[in-house]
Amino acid sequence: GNSVTQMEGPVTLSEEAFLTINCTYTATGYPSLFWYVQYPGEGLQLLLKATKADDKGSNKGFEATYRKETTSFHLEKGSVQVSDSAVYFCALSDQGTYKYIFGTGTRLKVLA
Amino acid sequence: GAVVSQHPSWVICKSGTSVKIECRSLDFQATTMFWYRQFPKQSLMLMATSNEGSKATYEQGVEKDKFLINHASLTLSTLTVTSAHPEDSSFYICSARDDVSSYEQYFGPGTRLTVT
Repeated sequence: GNSVTQMEGPVTLSEEAFLTINCTYTATGYPSLFWYVQYPGEGLQLLLKATKADDKGSNKGFEATYRKETTSFHLEKGSVQVSDSAVYFCALSDQGTYKYIFGTGTRLKVLA
Repeated sequence: GAVVSQHPSWVICKSGTSVKIECRSLDFQATTMFWYRQFPKQSLMLMATSNEGSKATYEQGVEKDKFLINHASLTLSTLTVTSAHPEDSSFYICSARDDVSSYEQYFGPGTRLTVT
């Protein structure tokens, strides 16, 4: 079945450091891929998405590229801020059922 | 942009009582909505798919008699936790799917349920 694997956290970085959160997936067909962010006590906010191979999603300085050859969708940001501290979820949308499958989430803590 | 609301945002109830949570798509119609459950520091687990005008489809291991879902209109789905117990305490998140264009899901802000 379809699945999403995320690197385990927590990830602790200093402000302005480079961020990478790894995400790989297993799926049949061509799923859409997403990164969501969840701040404490809140719901999920869509951060970025990509719907086909080689697409790059970007938003608020975050980027991720849909790599079909490596079945990956790694999240990157060149310079993190304290306000980026949150939990980040990688997810895919099953092509047939449109159900979302989430990774386990990666907690990011950015220190000033 | 597409907005999904949930009500209430948090609720405390006594063990044995029932609690209803509403999920509304505010600016689009959604024939399909989803209900997720999130335990502290864990990922979202899909509980059920709510279909407008028909019965919900529950994921394996989810008790349909305990978690009643009603999707009476194209903008509203409700989840009722019946005879709640402390182990039902959790963060419940709904999403609504845009069935017209993107098939993308838009998430509500979540409802925190505490059963005492």
